Amino acid sequence: DAGVIQSPRHEVTEMGQEVTLRCKPISGHNSLFWYRQTMMRGLELLIYFNNNVPIDDSGMPEDRFSAKMPNASFSTLKIQPSEPRDSAVYFCASSLGWDRLAKNIQYFGAGTRLSVL
Amino acid sequence: GQQLNQSPQSMFIQEGEDVSMNCTSSSIFNTWLWYKQEPGEGPVLLIALYKAGELTSNGRLTAQFGITRKDSFLNISASIPSDVGIYFCAGRGTQGGSEKLVFGKGTKLTVNP
Repeated sequence: DAGVIQSPRHEVTEMGQEVTLRCKPISGHNSLFWYRQTMMRGLELLIYFNNNVPIDDSGMPEDRFSAKMPNASFSTLKIQPSEPRDSAVYFCASSLGWDRLAKNIQYFGAGTRLSVL
Repeated sequence: GQQLNQSPQSMFIQEGEDVSMNCTSSSIFNTWLWYKQEPGEGPVLLIALYKAGELTSNGRLTAQFGITRKDSFLNISASIPSDVGIYFCAGRGTQGGSEKLVFGKGTKLTVNP
């Protein structure tokens, strides 16, 4: 299996520009998660989807952030407009979903390193 | 919100030494997971724990789910240079059906050959 695939791996942009991060979850997985990692705050959950439906978006920092999952094999995280404080590594993870068998194991992609100048 | 306190923040050890790190929480968790992250990569699952008191091994790694359900530890025996990385604990709370994980801030491990 190819694992969780994220693109791009690196993104450098200027303040005010729109940024779109992409994620392809592991085939057959029902849940998808977006995380942000910084030195100061560690790994923070931004939003997660189950069966393409957003379940918990309480971690989304503000209205500049939005996430979509139009189908089971693709999700995007958009920042518009971007600001320097958005600079971080953004991870996507997927899981089979919570049940006794799946046991909530999340598999992470390699991340997108975002720098907003 | 729920928070995990992970310690130590960093460790510098000699190859061959044993390592111990732990996570504590003020609230109860139903699941404890330990992940390892190497530079430029995402976290990779090492061990998953689902029952209070559970002790699980994965090669040289051993982890335990604390009896109080508020803590967990990870031990690495006979460390080798490829153990270098950042180790994260993660917990799933008691909110039924939620897949939300809370992560500790990580323990950065350096192994000197």
